[in-house]
Formats: sequence, C-alpha cells, structure tokens
Amino acid sequence: GAGVSQSPSNKVTEKGKDVELRCDPISGHTALYWYRQSLGQGLEFLIYFQGNSAPDKSGLPSDRFSAERTGGSVSTLTIQRTQQEDSAVYLCALDPGDYGYTFGSGTRLTVV
Amino acid sequence: RKEVEQDPGPFNVPEGATVAFNCTYSNSASQSFFWYRQDCRKEPKLLMSVYSSGNEDGRFTAQLNRASQYISLLIRDSKLSDSATYLCVVNRRTALIFGKGTTLSVSS
Repeated sequence: GAGVSQSPSNKVTEKGKDVELRCDPISGHTALYWYRQSLGQGLEFLIYFQGNSAPDKSGLPSDRFSAERTGGSVSTLTIQRTQQEDSAVYLCALDPGDYGYTFGSGTRLTVV
Repeated sequence: RKEVEQDPGPFNVPEGATVAFNCTYSNSASQSFFWYRQDCRKEPKLLMSVYSSGNEDGRFTAQLNRASQYISLLIRDSKLSDSATYLCVVNRRTALIFGKGTTLSVSS
C-alpha cells in the first residue's frame, strides 16, 4: 500500500535456512508493526516499534523470530532456522490511530 | 475465548441485497474499533472506523455496543465489487487485533 514498501514480495526458502524480510516506510512514521497471515487464518500480531521506546515483542511466536528498526525508519524481520509452519504472508503496517493502519503489500514466505 | 470472533461465512447474496456481519470482542478495555476489507491475496485496507454513536459511509453502516462488546457492519444494495473478506478489528493496548474475517460473495 501507499506509504510502505516491503521486500521481497515473494521468498521461497529451504527448511532450516534463515530469512530476512524488509519493511521500508516511504514517509516518516513513528509506529511500525509486523503481522503475519497464514493460509486461511486471521492476521497475527508479531511486534511493534514506537519511536525510541522498547519494542513490544509479545506476539513473536518463538525465539527464532527477531526484528529491529534502524534509525526509526527501515525495519527488518529475521526468522532463523525456518520451519514449514513459518510459511505465511508477513505484513508491515504503519501508524494505528483513528484511521487505522496502512499495510504494505506483504512478503509471501514459503518454506519447503 | 478468542479476542475477536466473527462468523466466517461465506455469505452468498445477490446484487442489491442487504447483508449484516457481526463481531464480538473479549477485551472490555478496548477503545478503538474498525472494519477492514481484504481482497483475495491482497493486503487489508481500512473500510471504516466504528464509533459508539454508530456511523455511516454511503452504503455501509457500522454499529458498536460496548455493553455487549458487539460490533456490526451493514451493507445495503450489495454490489459485485463488495465481494471480499471483511475483518473486524479491535485494539489491545498498542496493537490492533484482527478477527479471522467474514467472507462475502455477491452474485449477479
């Protein structure tokens, strides 16, 4: 969606490999979220960044998942030792507020 | 109990029909409520916010009942282009929590 770019759009990886997904806000937004959506499932909250505050990592499903946000802009989500159950669409979103979020178009991750 | 529950459907209706979707949420502290629309293999997009007084946007009307922790979306005069999955969304502290969605299929 407008305002946030995600890359790659598609990623196929072998089980056990590490992957890195990128979210690049086009304009300055202090709040950035990662969600994932598995086939036939709802969106699952993963992690939240707000300015210089400590991120809210309460949604990360395991310690194989980590994320960082550099300079309050670009964010990367890293999945180590990928498993087949990690296959999903990973979505980055900006700025919740009265008008809700703006989502990126997502990265479709397939672990084979 | 799930934080946000919706009837998954699908709802199959003819063009011109009126259709209503319901949603319940479990966190009484929630303050922000939305309906999002998601087309197949696309990212969710905000359809409308939901306010306690109820609000309308063209053919779409959203209602919130805080006492019952219940949210609704009414679509009047359904169009083919309304076919999508409709997601009920509620905040939990800093995050938005999404229901699994209700699928609508409008046919001619």
